[in-house]
Amino acid sequence: QVTLRESGPALVKPTQTLTLTCTFSGFSLREDGMCVSWIRQPPGKALEWLARIDWEGDWDNDKHYSTSLKTRLTISKDTSKNQVLLTMTNMDPVDTAMYYCARITEVGIDHWGQGTLVTVSS
Amino acid sequence: EIVLTQSPGTLSLSPGERGTLSCRASQSVRSDCLAWYQQKPGQAPRLLIYATSSRATGIPDRFSGSGSGTDFTLTISRLEPEDFAIYYCQQYSSSPPSYTFGQGTKVEIK
Repeated sequence: QVTLRESGPALVKPTQTLTLTCTFSGFSLREDGMCVSWIRQPPGKALEWLARIDWEGDWDNDKHYSTSLKTRLTISKDTSKNQVLLTMTNMDPVDTAMYYCARITEVGIDHWGQGTLVTVSS
Repeated sequence: EIVLTQSPGTLSLSPGERGTLSCRASQSVRSDCLAWYQQKPGQAPRLLIYATSSRATGIPDRFSGSGSGTDFTLTISRLEPEDFAIYYCQQYSSSPPSYTFGQGTKVEIK
């Protein structure tokens, strides 16, 4: 059974750096074709893809970022712990959103975590 | 970057009716790179359709997808009470890898 769970602070201040952790089970990032992404959704708004790390994620070219946010994002993995981390720098109130981690395979974004709500406010 | 525009914004239907949701892309999308998701209030999205027309595991056959190029459609043949939700289309580009979502279509009870 594939599960993903996001964790991190519920509240961050403007200009701070956000670090989120995705802990997953039921698959491994050592398996060919497995990827994990972060996707966010501001309240009442649409989904926005942020970043993806691939099963070959020991190399920088296997980390991919949203063009509009790439200067603020870093995605990394700890394969031994089945975790994927996302850091986002210089947080702003417009970054208030539900942050999801999700598994991506050849069929698409096929399993999602339940999400973690991050509010940016002073 | 490819922009996906979904229409209508809201679809008001009764249970048992047929629902047709549209997704239009600003550039041609490969058929194997177009997916649909369902999201209910307070829940994460769920994959319904991938590669334009393939149903994901466990998805009932009243959901079907079609289309090509820049125009794609999700059809719900007979709406069940549990189908009232927001539906998003999503495309994948490989060079460089990126994903974009439409703004969503809300299917509400009439």
